Amino acid sequence: AQSVTQLDSQVPVFEEAPVELRCNYSSSVSVYLFWYVQYPNQGLQLLLKYLSGSTLVKGINGFEAEFNKSQTSFHLRKPSVHISDTAEYFCAVIRNSGNTPLVFGKGTRLSVIA
Amino acid sequence: DGGITQSPKYLFRKEGQNVTLSCEQNLNHDAMYWYRQDPGQGLRLIYYSQIVNDFQKGDIAEGYSVSREKKESFPLTVTSAQKNPTAFYLCASRKGQGTEKLFFGSGTQLSVL
Repeated sequence: AQSVTQLDSQVPVFEEAPVELRCNYSSSVSVYLFWYVQYPNQGLQLLLKYLSGSTLVKGINGFEAEFNKSQTSFHLRKPSVHISDTAEYFCAVIRNSGNTPLVFGKGTRLSVIA
Repeated sequence: DGGITQSPKYLFRKEGQNVTLSCEQNLNHDAMYWYRQDPGQGLRLIYYSQIVNDFQKGDIAEGYSVSREKKESFPLTVTSAQKNPTAFYLCASRKGQGTEKLFFGSGTQLSVL
């Protein structure tokens, strides 16, 4: 079975500062990795995904993530955050064979302070 | 526009009552999912369906039931056996393969009166 650990439940950061949201996963098989964002009272939207190839993945809204197989990590980064980035961010994993559901982490609430 | 629609946005349940949450998609997706979201708990899978007339239990299926009679629709019933139903419920759909992203509805907030 796969599992995801998001190491920080809340991350406050000042506007225009860089941010990193940490995600570690556990799996005995190869996986695909995703980051989703949720704005208040809404569903989730895909930020980016890693399937294969380059370990640095660029997504929407200036976010990027780096897949590190040896450390089983998939941390999300943005060099300069905006107030509008305030949201909850979820890391998710799925095994790369078969058709199983996504497994989500517990989420990290990013609060951008003016 | 194609999308996934959940209704109602807010729902209240009395003790001992069954309630049904609607989820409809016009994306022609084969797979549909129901997740429950509680503060600090992330998303937990309730049920999922990969084809019409077939569905599987997720991690927290007790107290819930589903049906998948049509490709477009995947309603979730919260039964009286679910003793702590207050949560935000999210429906999602996806094309068959795991590489494809999930499309989410805007959610239903269920509260107990």
